[in-house]
Amino acid sequence: DAGVTQSPTHLIKTRGQQVTLRCSPKSGHDTVSWYQQALGQGPQFIFQYYEEEERQRGNFPDRFSGHQFPNYSSELNVNALLLGDSALYLCASSLDSVTYEQYFGPGTRLTVT
Amino acid sequence: EDQVTQSPEALRLQEGESSSLNCSYTVSGLRGLFWYRQDPGKGPEFLFTLYSAGEEKEKERLKATLTKKESFLHITAPKPEDSATYLCASRSGSARQLTFGSGTQLTVLP
Repeated sequence: DAGVTQSPTHLIKTRGQQVTLRCSPKSGHDTVSWYQQALGQGPQFIFQYYEEEERQRGNFPDRFSGHQFPNYSSELNVNALLLGDSALYLCASSLDSVTYEQYFGPGTRLTVT
Repeated sequence: EDQVTQSPEALRLQEGESSSLNCSYTVSGLRGLFWYRQDPGKGPEFLFTLYSAGEEKEKERLKATLTKKESFLHITAPKPEDSATYLCASRSGSARQLTFGSGTQLTVLP
């Protein structure tokens, strides 16, 4: 049973560029959440997708956007990258109707120079 | 606004030396308290969910407990492979997201 997968593993971008990160949820899960984790901090919630709609959003600017596809996979897009966007981006999947336990992928390490 | 505070920030133990990690939470209508383990450069690995005060869950050398204001992760006779950052998170009310603490970095020395 495949867990949550994310791509790419690492990414280096220049300030002002745009980036797209991808996530495939755990088999049987229908809900995808995205988190940003700065070094030495706990993950911070960006947004959650369910039934291809953004259902809830954290305190992140509109430069952060996302999408969920019919197969439940998801993308996170970040426009106009800032140096402060450098972080580990984590995708978590869950089955909405059950216990709400979220299972995380390995993350994408984004470095903005 | 939910708040989760973990202590200590870092903990060094000798192999076999039992201890506890603390997670204090301030949430409105707790819907779940979650513990995760995170190894360097990797995503958090789910350990436990606790839903109500008095609840306890165990897995190998780890036991998680919950009161109305705190959760503890007890580590009994730890081994070097237990070295990791342990994260605590809460979910409250109608919120869909988890609110995380900053974690406790545990190092177990052989």
